[in-house]
Amino acid sequence: QVQVVESGGGVVQPGGSLRLSCVASGFTFSIYGMHWARQAPGKGLEWVAFIRHDGSEHRIKTEYADSAKGRFTVSRDDSKNTIYLQMNSLRPDDTALYFCAKDNPVIDVWGQGTLVTVSS
Amino acid sequence: DIQMTQSPSTLSASVGDRVTLTCRASQSIGTWLAWYQQKPGKAPNLLIYKASSLQSGVPPRFSGSGSGTEFTLTISSLQADDFATYYCQHYDGFPWTFGQGTQVEIK
Repeated sequence: QVQVVESGGGVVQPGGSLRLSCVASGFTFSIYGMHWARQAPGKGLEWVAFIRHDGSEHRIKTEYADSAKGRFTVSRDDSKNTIYLQMNSLRPDDTALYFCAKDNPVIDVWGQGTLVTVSS
Repeated sequence: DIQMTQSPSTLSASVGDRVTLTCRASQSIGTWLAWYQQKPGKAPNLLIYKASSLQSGVPPRFSGSGSGTEFTLTISSLQADDFATYYCQHYDGFPWTFGQGTQVEIK
């Protein structure tokens, strides 16, 4: 079945870095864009980042929320059906459950999330 | 950035009720709007896309309408499985934004 599975979450100190991974299966990964979204404990959903598939005609391959610009980088490895979210300069307000999701062109498949806690 | 505002924040209803949730965009988004259902501890689940198109596998008691800046999600006859939080989200250009959610609770 179509699914995406996140990993890489954990506890990190403020100012630290973390790399999240998301492995996809059950669909032709290379022709779909992929998203990261997050949800702080007890709060609503926040879109974080998007990476287009390599065949996209768009000149710009990635998009970011203002909260992620300059600190987070999304990338993909189609040979591994995997996307990544490199997160640097982490802050306590980055604490959240991070979801990977498939674009179609709305998000139609979500992972179960990986928890990131930024705390000293 | 486009702001999405949902109302009410909480809705108390009974099984069998017809309920309507509202979502407003700060500027016109055409019909580039999706609705998601989320239950505690679970990932969101896509219900409606392009404002009124029902996602495959979603029960027909769910329906969406609207365009421009005003949108609604209607549940024609509320079932026990429908008590959850509902989010609207625009996808009319980046950055995408979600509404703050409407929690549908048991009356």
